[in-house]
Amino acid sequence: AQKITQTQPGMFVQEKEAVTLDCTYDTSDPSYGLFWYKQPSSGEMIFLIYQGSYDQQNATEGRYSLNFQKARKSANLVISASQLGDSAMYFCAMSAMFSGGYNKLIFGAGTRLAVHP
Amino acid sequence: DGGITQSPKYLFRKEGQNVTLSCEQNLNHDAMYWYRQDPGQGLRLIYYSQIVNDFQKGDIAEGYSVSREKKESFPLTVTSAQKNPTAFYLCASSELSGGAGDTQYFGPGTRLTVL
Repeated sequence: AQKITQTQPGMFVQEKEAVTLDCTYDTSDPSYGLFWYKQPSSGEMIFLIYQGSYDQQNATEGRYSLNFQKARKSANLVISASQLGDSAMYFCAMSAMFSGGYNKLIFGAGTRLAVHP
Repeated sequence: DGGITQSPKYLFRKEGQNVTLSCEQNLNHDAMYWYRQDPGQGLRLIYYSQIVNDFQKGDIAEGYSVSREKKESFPLTVTSAQKNPTAFYLCASSELSGGAGDTQYFGPGTRLTVL
């Protein structure tokens, strides 16, 4: 069965430093996608970055990069130069084939990041 | 601006009542989804729809119903059969290319509390 595991319930980082949020996944599908979302206290889920299972290079979006290690089944999110506004919950998610050939997202439990000045 | 709107932001329900949560998108996306989030947990899929007048149950559909009469709208009804409806409800939409990379974009959510 497909599964996402985020082992860090909470993380602290000093402003302007980099931080890595861990994510491991389990799937037997050869084609899948890995996503990271940010959820601030307001509740909205904000899409950050996507990595396809066949992508050779790690995805990057501004200060966000995804450290994709396929053999280890890990998809860690790296946030460079942390800002106070980065304080939020972060969710790793994986697309999985649903009945009817449709993709659905499976979410991890999340990691709460606190950025300190 | 394109996006997804949900209303109301907060909703209070008495036990035994049905309530309907609104979700509208102007992104011209074919697919729409409803998720439930409980405190300290990730999201779980309630229902999804790929096309007008068609929808499929997700992992936790019991006690919920949906309709998809228009491409832009996907309302969710929480019925009295739902035993623990207090939660945060998120609506999402995506294109439907058939691949693994269909990114889902979310609305701001509705927080439902049963009194």
